[in-house]
Amino acid sequence: EPEVTQTPSHQVTQMGQEVILRCVPISNHLYFYWYRQILGQKVEFLVSFYNNEISEKSEIFDDQFSVERPDGSNFTLKIRSTKLEDSAMYFCASRSRQAVVYGYTFGSGTRLTVV
Amino acid sequence: DAKTTQPPSMDCAEGRAANLPCNHSTISGNEYVYWYRQIHSQGPQYIIHGLKNNETNEMASLIITEDRKSSTLILPHATLRDTAVYYCIVRVADFGNEKLTFGTGTRLTIIP
Repeated sequence: EPEVTQTPSHQVTQMGQEVILRCVPISNHLYFYWYRQILGQKVEFLVSFYNNEISEKSEIFDDQFSVERPDGSNFTLKIRSTKLEDSAMYFCASRSRQAVVYGYTFGSGTRLTVV
Repeated sequence: DAKTTQPPSMDCAEGRAANLPCNHSTISGNEYVYWYRQIHSQGPQYIIHGLKNNETNEMASLIITEDRKSSTLILPHATLRDTAVYYCIVRVADFGNEKLTFGTGTRLTIIP
């Protein structure tokens, strides 16, 4: 079964450093998402991406965040200057046009720890 | 998207059927009911969805009441690996770019 692949599985970074989280969505999917989950809290939407541009972003997704699909296969989330409160699991998701049939597919996540 | 209400936690004995309820009394006619689960800290996993008819797949069954104001996810023979947080999500199913909005879900614990 096709999978969404995320790397790295765990990233530790110092406060103020830039991090890039990487995702390889399912190859024929058109819609891409980033979510995050702070330990013990809900899964929260960050941003959706379609046709090489952001479709929607949440209040969390401020100027410190950016997304990119640089080469047609990878989908990245960059945090420019990390803060302690950015520590969370970050999940990438993708879906095909027929989401009503296939649903959204999530990756296994990157655990980001900011120290 | 319509709001859903789920019990915060449930227990079920291994091998028995786990029945997870969800209330969605403000659901609109074009909104589907989706179920996802999250095992430990893994990414959410799609289970099943439905509009108004009952649905069954290899993972679970979904029973939607006739008035569509509530539904029940049934795991027919629960195993320890079914211990997870289960999310009931109601949203319009279309071909656009809309996100999923997760609530707090039901933490299901399968007891050996």
